[in-house]
Amino acid sequence: NAGVMQNPRHLVRRRGQEARLRCSPMKGHSHVYWYRQLPEEGLKFMVYLQKENIIDESGMPKERFSAEFPKEGPSILRIQQVVRGDSAAYFCASSPPTSGRGKTQYFGPGTRLLVL
Amino acid sequence: QQPVQSPQAVILREGEDAVINCSSSKALYSVHWYRQKHGEAPIFLMILLKGGEQKGHDKISASFNEKKQQSSLYLTASQLSYSGTYFCGTEQAGGGNKLTFGTGTQLKVEL
Repeated sequence: NAGVMQNPRHLVRRRGQEARLRCSPMKGHSHVYWYRQLPEEGLKFMVYLQKENIIDESGMPKERFSAEFPKEGPSILRIQQVVRGDSAAYFCASSPPTSGRGKTQYFGPGTRLLVL
Repeated sequence: QQPVQSPQAVILREGEDAVINCSSSKALYSVHWYRQKHGEAPIFLMILLKGGEQKGHDKISASFNEKKQQSSLYLTASQLSYSGTYFCGTEQAGGGNKLTFGTGTQLKVEL
């Protein structure tokens, strides 16, 4: 049973370019979460999505960042016009489609974004 | 506001025990514990739901006091493989499914 998959694992961008990070949830999971981790810090929630719906985007910066989880294909976190402060590890997690609270979130290996 | 973990760091000899605490200022629905090794993904250890549930997994167990909004992770007879950074992730009551992660506890187990 494959786990959460993310690609690319490492991404280098110059200031002003766009970054696209992809996440394929575990088989059978339909909930996806994106977290950002700065060096030597904890994980910070960004956005929670279900298929074709954004459920909670309270952690997303107001500008340049967007996320989607289409009916078919992976979830994508898109960062436009990247700046050096966007350099971080971006982790995706997924959980099963059960209702209610207290769902276990399983994390992918992360994408390390470096902005030059 | 993120949960506060203590201690920030701890060094153990193999076979020793440790307790890691997680304290929140918000009412909680659940607490999730993860271990992360440098450069790797956080690995799920266990989840505790409100109701004072105590769970165990091999030599790692945890408790959750919802009235005090605190959780503790107990590591018994530590092994070298236990080294890493431990994070608690809290799910706030009324806050949806997102997790708010703590400040982290660095654990190093030595021979």
